[in-house]
Amino acid sequence: DAGVTQSPTHLIKTRGQQVTLRCSPKSGHDTVSWYQQALGQGPQFIFQYYEEEERQRGNFPDRFSGHQFPNYSSELNVNALLLGDSALYLCASSLTGLGGELFFGEGSRLTVL
Amino acid sequence: KNQVEQSPQSLIILEGKNCTLQCNYTVSPFSNLRWYKQDTGRGPVSLTIMTFSENTKSNGRYTATLDADTKQSSLHITASQLSDSASYICVVRGSGAGSYQLTFGKGTKLSVIP
Repeated sequence: DAGVTQSPTHLIKTRGQQVTLRCSPKSGHDTVSWYQQALGQGPQFIFQYYEEEERQRGNFPDRFSGHQFPNYSSELNVNALLLGDSALYLCASSLTGLGGELFFGEGSRLTVL
Repeated sequence: KNQVEQSPQSLIILEGKNCTLQCNYTVSPFSNLRWYKQDTGRGPVSLTIMTFSENTKSNGRYTATLDADTKQSSLHITASQLSDSASYICVVRGSGAGSYQLTFGKGTKLSVIP
């Protein structure tokens, strides 16, 4: 049973570029959440997708957008990259419901130069 | 504002020793609290999840406690091993509006040395 898989694992972009990160949830999970984790900090909630809709959003600008596909996989898009967007981007999947435990992927390390 | 504060920020202990990590939160109303272990550059892995009615939960050498009245939790690690070196993150889920969000602490970075 594959866990949460993310791609790519590492990538380097320059300021102003756009990036797309991908996530496949754990088998049987229908909810995907995205987090940004700066070095030495805890993860910060970006948004959550369920039934192909953004269910809730954290305090991130509109440059951050996402999508969920019918197979529950998800993408995170970031436009007009800034140096401050450099971080580990974590995807977590769960079964919908308040008590659903989160299973995290290994993350995508984004470096913006 | 919902907050989760963890202490200490970092900790160095000798292999074989015990240690206790602290988590204080202001999330209200409360749904559950989780402890995660995160190796450097990797995704967090769940250690325990505790609900309002649970005071203690163990997972091998890890024991978590919860005092919902004082809004405090601790993670006790017994007989530490080198592989315990990681960041330990406390995460609290609220109930009601906005309950889909989790509030993360910044973590305690534990280093176990020989």
